[in-house]
Amino acid sequence: GAGVSQSPSNKVTEKGKDVELRCDPISGHTALYWYRQSLGQGLEFLIYFQGNSAPDKSGLPSDRFSAERTGGSVSTLTIQRTQQEDSAVYLCASSSGGTSGGGYNEQFFGPGTRLTVL
Amino acid sequence: GDSVTQMEGPVTLSEEAFLTINCTYTATGYPSLFWYVQYPGEGLQLLLKATKADDKGSNKGFEATYRKETTSFHLEKGSVQVSDSAVYFCALTRNTGGFKTIFGAGTRLFVKA
Repeated sequence: GAGVSQSPSNKVTEKGKDVELRCDPISGHTALYWYRQSLGQGLEFLIYFQGNSAPDKSGLPSDRFSAERTGGSVSTLTIQRTQQEDSAVYLCASSSGGTSGGGYNEQFFGPGTRLTVL
Repeated sequence: GDSVTQMEGPVTLSEEAFLTINCTYTATGYPSLFWYVQYPGEGLQLLLKATKADDKGSNKGFEATYRKETTSFHLEKGSVQVSDSAVYFCALTRNTGGFKTIFGAGTRLFVKA
C-alpha cells in the first residue's frame, strides 16, 4: 500500500520482556517519527529520524528505549525490560521533510501498535 | 523549549453550533503550524496547515489563522456536524535545526444531534 504501515497492530507482553515495533514509512519519505499515545493523553514525541540518522532522541523516556532506521526506510523501536507504564499506542509517522528550511512538513501517520504490558 | 497549549476538553456542542478550539504556542523562529484530527477508531490525519504568519489554513469548513503577534492558531468552524466528533490536535514543526514536531494534548469534541 501507499501509506505508513506498522506491525504488529497489537502486542501483549509480560513485564520484563523485550519488544520490537516496526514501521514501514511511505516510500521516498526521508523523515520518520515515533510517538507514544497513552490512554487519554496527547502525543508524546519519542524520536525523529532524518534518513538513517536521529538528530533528536530527546523524547526517549529511558535507556530501555532505542530505535534504529536502516536504508532510509524501515525503522524499529525496541523496548527492553518492558514495564507496565510502557503500555500505550506507539505511532509512527513519515514525511518528506528535507534538510533545508521550507515550512510545510505534513506527517502521515500509521495505524499504530497497541502495546499492553501485563 | 518549544511547546503547544490547547484548550482542555471535552467540548460538547449541539449540531450547527459555532466551534472554537484555542491553541497557543511557544517556539523559536518561525514554525509551521498544523491541526490534526483523530476520528473514532481511525488514525491521525492532517486537517489543515499554515506555514507563515497571517496564513489561513482551511479544510472541510474548518479554518485557522497563523497569528504571530499572539502566537496563536485557533481552530474554528461556523457550523459543526455530528461527524465532526473527534479529537483535535494542534501541532508545530520547526523549520530549522531539524523537523521535530510538538503536539498539544488534544481536545475531544462531541457534537450532539
